[in-house]
Amino acid sequence: NAGVMQNPRHLVRRRGQEARLRCSPMKGHSHVYWYRQLPEEGLKFMVYLQKENIIDESGMPKERFSAEFPKEGPSILRIQQVVRGDSAAYFCASSPGWDSPLHFGNGTRLTVT
Amino acid sequence: SQKIEQNSEALNIQEGKTATLTCNYTNYSPAYLQWYRQDPGRGPVFLLLIRENEKEKRKERLKVTFDTTLKQSLFHITASQPADSATYLCALLDTGRRALTFGSGTRLQVQP
Repeated sequence: NAGVMQNPRHLVRRRGQEARLRCSPMKGHSHVYWYRQLPEEGLKFMVYLQKENIIDESGMPKERFSAEFPKEGPSILRIQQVVRGDSAAYFCASSPGWDSPLHFGNGTRLTVT
Repeated sequence: SQKIEQNSEALNIQEGKTATLTCNYTNYSPAYLQWYRQDPGRGPVFLLLIRENEKEKRKERLKVTFDTTLKQSLFHITASQPADSATYLCALLDTGRRALTFGSGTRLQVQP
């Protein structure tokens, strides 16, 4: 049973470009979470989705950031018009239920030049 | 304001000793608390979950305690090994929320 798959592992974008981060949850998991981590800092919650629905997006900036988890296919975290401050590691996690432990992918490291 | 505090300084211990990591929280009413391990360049890995009505949980060489009066969880690794060297994160699920909030983690270094 494959774990949570995130791609790409590394992504370099110039300021103003768009970044698309993909996450395929573990088989049987319908709950997906996105977290952001800066060096030497903890994980900051961004958004929680459950198939086709956004349950909690309280940690996601209102502008430029969006997330989706369609009925078919991976969850996508989209960052439009990236700025240097968006450089970070973005982790996706999945679970079979909202009160179950999280299974994390190995992250996408976004660098904005 | 709400805070989850873990010791930001690295914890260095000798192989074979018991490592004890602390997680304190303020202005949360957690339904449960979880501990994760994170290695450099990797995603966190779940270790243990302890609920608000549980005092202690064990799994092999790991032990977690949860004191809702002190608003503190302690994470112990007995007979520590160099392979236990990693960053350990505590995370809690606040009542009414559906997503975990993480502390910033404590780096553990076990010297052979």
